[in-house]
Amino acid sequence: EADIYQTPRYLVIGTGKKITLECSQTMGHDKMYWYQQDPGMELHLIHYSYGVNSTEKGDLSSESTVSRIRTEHFPLTLESARPSHTSQYLCASSNRDRALGGYTFGSGTRLTVV
Amino acid sequence: QKEVEQNSGPLSVPEGAIASLNCTYSDRGSQSFFWYRQYSGKSPELIMFIYSNGDKEDGRFTAQLNKASQYVSLLIRDSQPSDSATYLCAVKRYSGGGADGLTFGKGTHLIIQP
Repeated sequence: EADIYQTPRYLVIGTGKKITLECSQTMGHDKMYWYQQDPGMELHLIHYSYGVNSTEKGDLSSESTVSRIRTEHFPLTLESARPSHTSQYLCASSNRDRALGGYTFGSGTRLTVV
Repeated sequence: QKEVEQNSGPLSVPEGAIASLNCTYSDRGSQSFFWYRQYSGKSPELIMFIYSNGDKEDGRFTAQLNKASQYVSLLIRDSQPSDSATYLCAVKRYSGGGADGLTFGKGTHLIIQP
């Protein structure tokens, strides 16, 4: 079944650690996105990619980085986690022909930095 | 002024009644409009999209778009307790240059009272 997967689902980690949040999709979508969402707040775009070797920063400034070496894989990395990075991170993908840009979201990673 | 505005609620509606959710947006160049449903602790799920003025119906859901007034709404007929969730309005801002990622409103928390 085609889908979009995020791991881990929950992560609690100490300050200063390097972390990578995984996102993979099996739908062959060109476009992938990372959003950040704090509880009760709106989603903010932090990174996006239109294809392999294409990555751009989104509207919300983030210390994280992303890579897109394969179409299906769009990992997000924090080199040195801080408590201010505590949030939910949602990965999404879309096909240029799908619902004029509607997204499919992964289940999210809830990150807590202590 | 926020780009996409929604009343955060909570909006309380009796079971079986019509729930009406509203959204306004600031960018007149916006092309496509989406409604997502997000249950607590879960990722958003696309339920409707619309890009032409007027109404679009899908089952119990009707999306309404008025570009002149920069207004989008979602009607849910015969509301069920399972409809209780946060409803996110999202707007695709433009297609040329920069991110064509969706901009999300903060969401309206809907409660269907049995």
